[in-house]
Amino acid sequence: DVVMTQSPLSLPVTLGQPASISCRSSQSLVHSDGNTYLNWLQQRPGQSPRRLIYKVSNRDSGVPDRFSGSGSGTDFTLEISRVEAEDVGIYYCMQERHWPWTFGQGTKVEIK
Amino acid sequence: DVQLVESGGGLVQPGGSLRLSCAASGFTFSSDWMSWVRQAPGKGLEWLASIHPDGTEKLYVDSVKGRFTISRDNAKNSLYLQVNSLRVEDTAVFYCLREARNVPTSDWGQGTRVTVSS
Repeated sequence: DVVMTQSPLSLPVTLGQPASISCRSSQSLVHSDGNTYLNWLQQRPGQSPRRLIYKVSNRDSGVPDRFSGSGSGTDFTLEISRVEAEDVGIYYCMQERHWPWTFGQGTKVEIK
Repeated sequence: DVQLVESGGGLVQPGGSLRLSCAASGFTFSSDWMSWVRQAPGKGLEWLASIHPDGTEKLYVDSVKGRFTISRDNAKNSLYLQVNSLRVEDTAVFYCLREARNVPTSDWGQGTRVTVSS
């Protein structure tokens, strides 16, 4: 199975400041159709997960534009341009290139 | 609005079985792949199984192959997960979800809790 490795696992941030989470996959996530199937999900405390970003950099409906994704091949990044209180939670990267789909360990974002 | 409502979880002894259900509404259920993901207490996420819109293709993670069975009833807009031979390590919240990897379509239910304990 593809191993997804996130860093850091804990990320204290100051309100209004940027934040960045890295994700590395053990295999390339580039598909023969030309797409790279890497997603980012958010799980707020006590809630179900929610997908924020699909195919590396595409925001899902209703996702604020302060969230952005980038990367290629095996290295990816989620950035929050200005952290807000509602962004507290755990963020997961996830690959949908090789079955079974697999998730990173999660990065806990908290306010300093 | 899209709604996915899971049910069927509970406390079961090791070796026992449950049938989890997911009632879907607000979209054309018969057009979408559907899946189950679980989350053990305080742990991360594990994708368990996915099923084609017409039910002909089913995919499973190795850890549940032969024990869990995903199915759907498009006439009832419902997704199911039959979980057999349950182990203590199967204790988790089980989520039903609809997700397309190429378009902005992703919806999760609120989850149903399964506890395996003697």
